[in-house]
Amino acid sequence: AQTVTQSQPEMSVQEAETVTLSCTYDTSENNYYLFWYKQPPSRQMILVIRQEAYKQQNATENRFSVNFQKAAKSFSLKISDSQLGDTAMYFCAFTPNFGNEKLTFGTGTRLTIIP
Amino acid sequence: DVKVTQSSRYLVKRTGEKVFLECVQDMDHENMFWYRQDPGLGLRLIYFSYDVKMKEKGDIPEGYSVSREKKERFSLILESASTNQTSMYLCASRPTGQVLETQYFGPGTRLLVL
Repeated sequence: AQTVTQSQPEMSVQEAETVTLSCTYDTSENNYYLFWYKQPPSRQMILVIRQEAYKQQNATENRFSVNFQKAAKSFSLKISDSQLGDTAMYFCAFTPNFGNEKLTFGTGTRLTIIP
Repeated sequence: DVKVTQSSRYLVKRTGEKVFLECVQDMDHENMFWYRQDPGLGLRLIYFSYDVKMKEKGDIPEGYSVSREKKERFSLILESASTNQTSMYLCASRPTGQVLETQYFGPGTRLLVL
């Protein structure tokens, strides 16, 4: 069974600074997909960024980027130039690549951006 | 835009009551999911459905059942609500066969069982 671990329950950072959220996972699969989701206070969960395990290049979406280390089974999220609207719960998630539609989520990191 | 709606944002029920949580999606997605979200535990999958009238147990199905009579609607049923089912319930949907496609989430139902 796959597991996803987020070891930082809470983090805070000053506005405009850079912050990195960590995520590790455990799987015996060689090909899989990883995701970061954001859940703002009282708002719906949305996808931030995704990574295919067979791609060595780290995914980037504007101010959001990942550091994917396949051998270490690590998938951290970096937020550059953090903004107040980045305040949210962030969840790391995993799915294997064999038609399984299910996601396995980590326990989440509550990120607060301080003005 | 994909829209996933849930019938209630907040719900208060008594122990032993039968509770229905409804979820509707408007994008003709085959797959629908029910999660519960608890502090420190993240999202845990209760049940999912990959087609009408089809369902599979997730990681924590005990005390829950589901119904999917129409493609757009997926209902979560608490047959006899208990206080340990107090939680945030999230519904999601996504199309089949597109592994990179995100799951689209509803706004959640915060259920309090007294």
